Amino acid sequence: GNSVTQMEGPVTLSEEAFLTINCTYTATGYPSLFWYVQYPGEGLQLLLKATKADDKGSNKGFEATYRKETTSFHLEKGSVQVSDSAVYFCALSERAGGTSYGKLTFGQGTILTVHP
Amino acid sequence: EAGVTQSPTHLIKTRGQQATLRCSPISGHTSVYWYQQALGLGLQFLLWYDEGEERNRGNFPPRFSGRQFPNYSSELNVNALELEDSALYLCASSLGTATNEKLFFGSGTQLSVL
Repeated sequence: GNSVTQMEGPVTLSEEAFLTINCTYTATGYPSLFWYVQYPGEGLQLLLKATKADDKGSNKGFEATYRKETTSFHLEKGSVQVSDSAVYFCALSERAGGTSYGKLTFGQGTILTVHP
Repeated sequence: EAGVTQSPTHLIKTRGQQATLRCSPISGHTSVYWYQQALGLGLQFLLWYDEGEERNRGNFPPRFSGRQFPNYSSELNVNALELEDSALYLCASSLGTATNEKLFFGSGTQLSVL
C-alpha cells in the first residue's frame, strides 16, 4: 500500500538556520503531495502542496518540489524563525483514476524547535 | 468565518463504554474526514463522509462508526472502548472531493480511556 516516510526528529535549529525535512513516499499512480503543519495547541494546517511531478509548492518561505524520479517531497526553508516551531507532516492523497479515496496518508511527523 | 469545530475538547471514559465525538465543518463544506492521532502512530485515516454517505473507511474495527447529518455535521462513535483507543481524534472538512483538495482541520478531541 501507499506510505510516507519522514526523517526522524526532533530537529533543533537556531534562528536563521537552513531547514530541510526529508520526505519520501511509496504510491501507485500519481498522488498529490502535501505538507501540513501543527502549531502547539492548534489543528493541522495546510502549508503547501504539489499535484504533479516537478511542481514546486511554496508558502511562508517554505518550499518543496515533487520529485517523481526519487519519490521525494523534501521541505526546505532558507532561514527559520522561532515562530516556525511546530510539528510538520508530509502526506499524500490517494486516488483511483480521477476519483479520490478521500484519504490522506501521513508521515509520522517531525518536531521542529527553533531557538533564538 | 468559523473553522472546523469539534466537541468535546476532552473526553474521559472507562473501558467498555461508548464515546461520541462531534464535528461541525466549515460552512459550505460537504466532506468530513476523521483521523486518529495516537502517540507514536501518527495520523491514521478513519472515515470519510460526503453528502451524507460514507465514502471510504480506514483499517479500523467496526466498533468505530459514524454518520453525517443533513447539515453536514458529523458524529464519530466508538463502542466497547479499549485502552488503545486513547488518542487525539481530528476532524477535517473540505469543499470538494478532488485529490488535491485542501483539508481544514479542527483542534481535535482528546479521548482518554481508563
